[in-house]
Amino acid sequence: QSVLTQPPSVSAAPGQKVTISCSGSSSNIGNNYLSWYQQLPGTAPKLLIYENDKRPSGIPDRFSGSKSGTSATLGITGLQTGDEADYYCATWDNSLNTWVFGEGTTLSVL
Amino acid sequence: QVQLQESGPGLVKPSQTLSLTCSVSGDSIKNSFYYWSWIRQPAGKGLEWIGRIFPRGNTNYNPSLKSRVTMSVDTSSNQFSLRLTSVTAADTALYYCARELGSRRYYFDSWGQGTPVTVSS
Repeated sequence: QSVLTQPPSVSAAPGQKVTISCSGSSSNIGNNYLSWYQQLPGTAPKLLIYENDKRPSGIPDRFSGSKSGTSATLGITGLQTGDEADYYCATWDNSLNTWVFGEGTTLSVL
Repeated sequence: QVQLQESGPGLVKPSQTLSLTCSVSGDSIKNSFYYWSWIRQPAGKGLEWIGRIFPRGNTNYNPSLKSRVTMSVDTSSNQFSLRLTSVTAADTALYYCARELGSRRYYFDSWGQGTPVTVSS
């Protein structure tokens, strides 16, 4: 059981929009920046969103992040088949004194 | 652009010690802006943070692994290392090294490609 809760899977059609939620607590999301990672099949995770809502250079603006209280959301618009991947949220937990990751959400673009 | 590359034995016997090294290029491991972490991922499962080392050598470890983990840094070679003792089959995973932004910004901006480790006799 992960400290950060994500849905196991989400799906949508090409061109559509999808959101992935990440729920935590005041000891993690509520008081620290959250980041999101995309893991394409057979590859290492890649930073997608940092500091809740910022995109690294090279990440298209189809990807967005937001945070409210102890929850965060990753949004992806204009879905492409190349977006099929596992998505993880992550942050530091001040009580556990460790990084915590969500269990990951598998995105299917049908 | 920073690059990280993990290396080490792919097979470790139960009860023995797993040792991995991460070679960093494109940035100095002494750069005070960054911390250096190890993260693992069992096949088909999620990510687990193992621990991190700061440029001056101090460390933070995942409490669940703390009794078995040691990390070190070799600034002359621009590498950092992981030792995990008394391994079991549960330690079989893909092991990544990653660079973390400091100052409580909390994100990993660069990852190695990962190295698989199997614990088996």
